[in-house]
Amino acid sequence: AQSVTQLDSQVPVFEEAPVELRCNYSSSVSVYLFWYVQYPNQGLQLLLKYLSGSTLVKGINGFEAEFNKSQTSFHLRKPSVHISDTAEYFCAVSGGGSNYKLTFGKGTLLTVNP
Amino acid sequence: EADIYQTPRYLVIGTGKKITLECSQTMGHDKMYWYQQDPGMELHLIHYSYGVNSTEKGDLSSESTVSRIRTEHFPLTLESARPSHTSQYLCASSETSGRTDTQYFGPGTRLTVL
Repeated sequence: AQSVTQLDSQVPVFEEAPVELRCNYSSSVSVYLFWYVQYPNQGLQLLLKYLSGSTLVKGINGFEAEFNKSQTSFHLRKPSVHISDTAEYFCAVSGGGSNYKLTFGKGTLLTVNP
Repeated sequence: EADIYQTPRYLVIGTGKKITLECSQTMGHDKMYWYQQDPGMELHLIHYSYGVNSTEKGDLSSESTVSRIRTEHFPLTLESARPSHTSQYLCASSETSGRTDTQYFGPGTRLTVL
């Protein structure tokens, strides 16, 4: 079984400040990790994914995430946020192979204030 | 990147009506999924399909049904809508990349049952 915990339900920040959205996972098998963003009244858009290789993954819109196996974490970071980054962010895990279905966290609402 | 289309985007309907939510993808992905998402909550998988004529129930029990007669089309049907069905429904399809699948989402259908 696998699960995802997003430690913060809401993160308010000011424009141009750095941000980190936290994600911890548990899984009994190999893990593949994803971050999705959901803007109001829209579907989910893939930000980035970790499948293998370098533990630092760069995604779209200036976001990056670091896979830390010892801490079972996959935190999302951006050095300088914009108003347009205001959205809900979901972390998800899959086990790969026949266990390819995604398990999602509850989401973190990032609000960027001027 | 997959092109996933969902119609309608918004639907307000009375109790007892039969509804079908449409989902189509143009990338030839074998696997497709339906998720239910309540406001401020995580996504719950309600149906998935490995391919044509293959459908399975997901982790969250749902009174809806699905069919997969064509690769690109994965409609969801509610025979008799009730207020408890009010939610956002997200369709996704996935491609296998390496060791796991990457899911791409449609824009969603927001259903309100009065």
